[in-house]
Amino acid sequence: NAGVTQTPKFQVLKTGQSMTLQCAQDMNHEYMSWYRQDPGMGLRLIHYSVGAGITDQGEVPNGYNVSRSTTEDFPLRLLSAAPSQTSVYFCASSYSFIAGGYEQYFGPGTRLTVT
Amino acid sequence: DQQVKQNSPSLSVQEGRISILNCDYTNSMFDYFLWYKKYPAEGPTFLISISSIKDKNEDGRFTVFLNKSAKHLSLHIVPSQPGDSAVYFCAASVGYKLSFGAGTTVTVRA
Repeated sequence: NAGVTQTPKFQVLKTGQSMTLQCAQDMNHEYMSWYRQDPGMGLRLIHYSVGAGITDQGEVPNGYNVSRSTTEDFPLRLLSAAPSQTSVYFCASSYSFIAGGYEQYFGPGTRLTVT
Repeated sequence: DQQVKQNSPSLSVQEGRISILNCDYTNSMFDYFLWYKKYPAEGPTFLISISSIKDKNEDGRFTVFLNKSAKHLSLHIVPSQPGDSAVYFCAASVGYKLSFGAGTTVTVRA
């Protein structure tokens, strides 16, 4: 049971490049989400999904796209990278908010630098 | 506008003493509150939670208190141990969205 895995661990992009951050979980969790962590800001919700085929925006969605074609995978796409997207990105999952499963399991993070 | 605030960026405590971490929130619709612990270069890990219908929850050395009228949450760690040195995030949820505070770095001194 690997839990929540994220790839890559580190990435450097040039302004305007696009890329996809990968996230997978093997716990059959319904709920998955993406956060970014910036100094002094805590973790901010980018996008989330309550099941395959269902996604919605969080607090800071601009510049990011997501899709959820399977229960296991929830990739985050940066469409045209900007220096303001330099951050540490965390993916998380939980079994269900409705059922009280608020406890989220986090991946190890991806440190992204945009130059 | 941050709805969850941790006003103390850092806390230093002697091993064996109590650590008290505080958190304030502004959204009265929050129905569940959680504390996460984070070590460097790792993802946050869940520590303890409390429903908005309760005012206290205990789990071993960790106790969370909720004062809804003051919109205030606190985490007590007794006794503090060296392995407790980490960043602690307070979080609150409404619907499917979780809002986090900026974190408090706890250092436990020997």
